[in-house]
Amino acid sequence: DGGITQSPKYLFRKEGQNVTLSCEQNLNHDAMYWYRQDPGQGLRLIYYSQIVNDFQKGDIAEGYSVSREKKESFPLTVTSAQKNPTAFYLCASKRDIGTSPYEQYFGPGTRLTVT
Amino acid sequence: DAKTTQPTSMDCAEGRAANLPCNHSTISGNEYVYWYRQIHSQGPQYIIHGLKNNETNEMASLIITEDRKSSTLILPHATLRDTAVYYCIVISNFGNEKLTFGTGTRLTIIP
Repeated sequence: DGGITQSPKYLFRKEGQNVTLSCEQNLNHDAMYWYRQDPGQGLRLIYYSQIVNDFQKGDIAEGYSVSREKKESFPLTVTSAQKNPTAFYLCASKRDIGTSPYEQYFGPGTRLTVT
Repeated sequence: DAKTTQPTSMDCAEGRAANLPCNHSTISGNEYVYWYRQIHSQGPQYIIHGLKNNETNEMASLIITEDRKSSTLILPHATLRDTAVYYCIVISNFGNEKLTFGTGTRLTIIP
């Protein structure tokens, strides 16, 4: 089955530790995205990548880092510099098809709790 | 991207049609209207999108007003599994698009 996988579903870390969230897709999509969602709020964009070895900051990139070494993988590292890391993190991908309409496909999410 | 306004919450009886409104009065000519939903603790799910014409697929119908300043998502026969937060998003078809989700409408289907 084609889709997006995120692991783990739940993650617990101590304050001051870096943590990396995994996102893998086998949809052959060019673009991948990381969003953060806090309770009762909508999604906010952290980073996105249109092609391999290239990525751009979203609206709330501070305290986060990403890499895009392979088309199918877009891991997100939550660093100790992120002041409020506890949140629900969602990865998405989309197929760039020129000027045609598109839709983003989302993974199941990782709930990160930092204490 | 144009800003959207949606009611915070709505209820609908199971089996009835759920009509979810969205205002996007600043929409520009090349911007599409997209609808997503998010069931609790899951990733958002694409539902439908449109530009000018009304659209229908296996999940829902999208009605866009002639001036394009508002739209309505219709779930024709709501089930309990349709309980979710529904997001209306307006985005252009070009450039480095990013989906900015607002707070959406929390739809509760009542048995």
